[in-house]
Amino acid sequence: GQNIDQPTEMTATEGAIVQINCTYQTSGFNGLFWYQQHAGEAPTFLSYNVLDGLEEKGRFSSFLSRSKGYSYLLLKELQMKDSASYLCAVAIYSGGYQKVTFGTGTKLQVIP
Amino acid sequence: KAGVTQTPRYLIKTRGQQVTLSCSPISGHRSVSWYQQTPGQGLQFLFEYFSETQRNKGNFPGRFSGRQFSNSRSEMNVSTLELGDSALYLCASSPGGRMNTEAFFGQGTRLTVV
Repeated sequence: GQNIDQPTEMTATEGAIVQINCTYQTSGFNGLFWYQQHAGEAPTFLSYNVLDGLEEKGRFSSFLSRSKGYSYLLLKELQMKDSASYLCAVAIYSGGYQKVTFGTGTKLQVIP
Repeated sequence: KAGVTQTPRYLIKTRGQQVTLSCSPISGHRSVSWYQQTPGQGLQFLFEYFSETQRNKGNFPGRFSGRQFSNSRSEMNVSTLELGDSALYLCASSPGGRMNTEAFFGQGTRLTVV
């Protein structure tokens, strides 16, 4: 099975930078997703990393190290609207198809 | 392009009853996955349907079942409801090839069992 760990809660200040870490242990690893979920809303896709390295997309960046079983999501220039849960999800390739398992999420609170 | 539609949005059921939830994926998407979300457990994978066939299954009891129709719409059924089944049930739609990329989630059905 998969074991995915991420912090439960984080607090950061508006305008600052925050890094949300995710570690995983799995076999058949085939990529890692980050999703954002505002309270009471559906999760929305942020990023997908399958190769080692940093992927930048505006204020958000995602990093992956396959050898270390480690990823992080970096949020720059934090805004109040970034207050949400951030879900790390690991994809494995098994039986000819991809299966995605989610972590429990990190609830980020941005304060003024 | 319409998003993923889940009905109903809210539901209250009594312990022992059964419930059916519906999910209409994005047009052209053939894969529908179902998840249960609770504050303590996060998003737990229930099952995935592709072209009317269940191709992945999570670790939930047999009381949880699903199906997919030829138009890719999917239903999830929970029989003999228990208090612990109270949760947000989310469905996610994706094109469904061999390599899924991002999934598009519906707003979910909030089920309360009393």
